[in-house]
Amino acid sequence: NAGVMQNPRHLVRRRGQEARLRCSPMKGHSHVYWYRQLPEEGLKFMVYLQKENIIDESGMPKERFSAEFPKEGPSILRIQQVVRGDSAAYFCASSPPGGLKDYEQYFGPGTRLTVT
Amino acid sequence: AQSVTQLGSHVSVSEGALVLLRCNYSSSVPPYLFWYVQYPNQGLQLLLKYTSAATLVKGINGFEAEFKKSETSFHLTKPSAHMSDAAEYFCAVVDGGYQKVTFGTGTKLQVIP
Repeated sequence: NAGVMQNPRHLVRRRGQEARLRCSPMKGHSHVYWYRQLPEEGLKFMVYLQKENIIDESGMPKERFSAEFPKEGPSILRIQQVVRGDSAAYFCASSPPGGLKDYEQYFGPGTRLTVT
Repeated sequence: AQSVTQLGSHVSVSEGALVLLRCNYSSSVPPYLFWYVQYPNQGLQLLLKYTSAATLVKGINGFEAEFKKSETSFHLTKPSAHMSDAAEYFCAVVDGGYQKVTFGTGTKLQVIP
């Protein structure tokens, strides 16, 4: 059973470009969470999605960031007009239907975004 | 709102010595608590979790943690450090009934030969 997959693992963008980060949850999982880890900081919650629904986006910056989890295909975290401050590791986690099994989330390896 | 505080952003121990990483939580309801480990340039791996069963929780790689409600603590310990334990450790809390996980700021463990 493959774990949570994220791609690309490393992404370099120039200021002003768009970044698209993909997350494929574990098989059978329908809940996806995105976190951002800035250098020397812990993980900060960004958004929680179920298939075709955004459940909680309280951690998402108000502008330039968006997330989706379509009926088919991976979850996408999209950052428009990237700035240097967006450079970070972005982690995706998933959990099975019905919520967290013992409240455990399964994490992907992360995408490291570098904005030049 | 739930929160966790990890005391000490960097901890150094000698190989073979006791590892103690501290975590205190604030919660108005019984919490679910986790410890995760992150090796360089990798994702998070679950070490152990407390879900209101036994207060002493055993995890992988010889780690364990004890839930102490009176102290609102969930400290992570390992009797004898190994070089391979060098990593960053995160304490996390989930509000029962809600999906959001709140992480501590992390503690980097250095193991000295």
